[in-house]
Amino acid sequence: DAGVIQSPRHEVTEMGQEVTLRCKPISGHNSLFWYRQTMMRGLELLIYFNNNVPIDDSGMPEDRFSAKMPNASFSTLKIQPSEPRDSAVYFCASSFFGGFAGELFFGEGSRLTVL
Amino acid sequence: AQTVTQSQPEMSVQEAETVTLSCTYDTSESNYYLFWYKQPPSRQMILVIRQEAYKQQNATENRFSVNFQKAAKSFSLKISDSQLGDTAMYFCAFMLQGAQKLVFGQGTRLTINP
Repeated sequence: DAGVIQSPRHEVTEMGQEVTLRCKPISGHNSLFWYRQTMMRGLELLIYFNNNVPIDDSGMPEDRFSAKMPNASFSTLKIQPSEPRDSAVYFCASSFFGGFAGELFFGEGSRLTVL
Repeated sequence: AQTVTQSQPEMSVQEAETVTLSCTYDTSESNYYLFWYKQPPSRQMILVIRQEAYKQQNATENRFSVNFQKAAKSFSLKISDSQLGDTAMYFCAFMLQGAQKLVFGQGTRLTINP
């Protein structure tokens, strides 16, 4: 069974450019999470969805960040315009809400570098 | 707000030794879950072990066990007979019962030396 799939694995862009990160959750999972990992701040939850509906976006840093989940098998995290301080590893994770509490399945992450 | 603290940024032990990673947390709630996640160099986070706060018995998963001290708000991970494949970042995490938000500690980088 395929795990959570994220793309791209690595992205290098220049300040001001738009960045789109993609995630395909595990089939059958109904919750999807976007986390950001940095040395300074550790792992931070940005936003999560249940049944494709955003439930908590309080972790989204600012209006430059947006996330969508148009269907159960796809989500995007967009940063526009990007800034150097957005450089981080962005993780997508999925789970079955109502199942084994706290068992999130993570993707391999997208490492973003903004120059 | 809940917080999770891991006071050991790095640890290093020899293969086959036992190692204990520390974690403390802060919450005013009574019902919650605690977790240890492993992040190997491949970056993909993997759940190692889970503890329900209402259970007094410490969770175990093969070579991995926890020491859960609810009154002290302490949740340490013990790895017995450590193996080279245990080399990774280990994150302690907290989640309120009924919620979905995992709050992670800063992590402990564990290196197992041959």
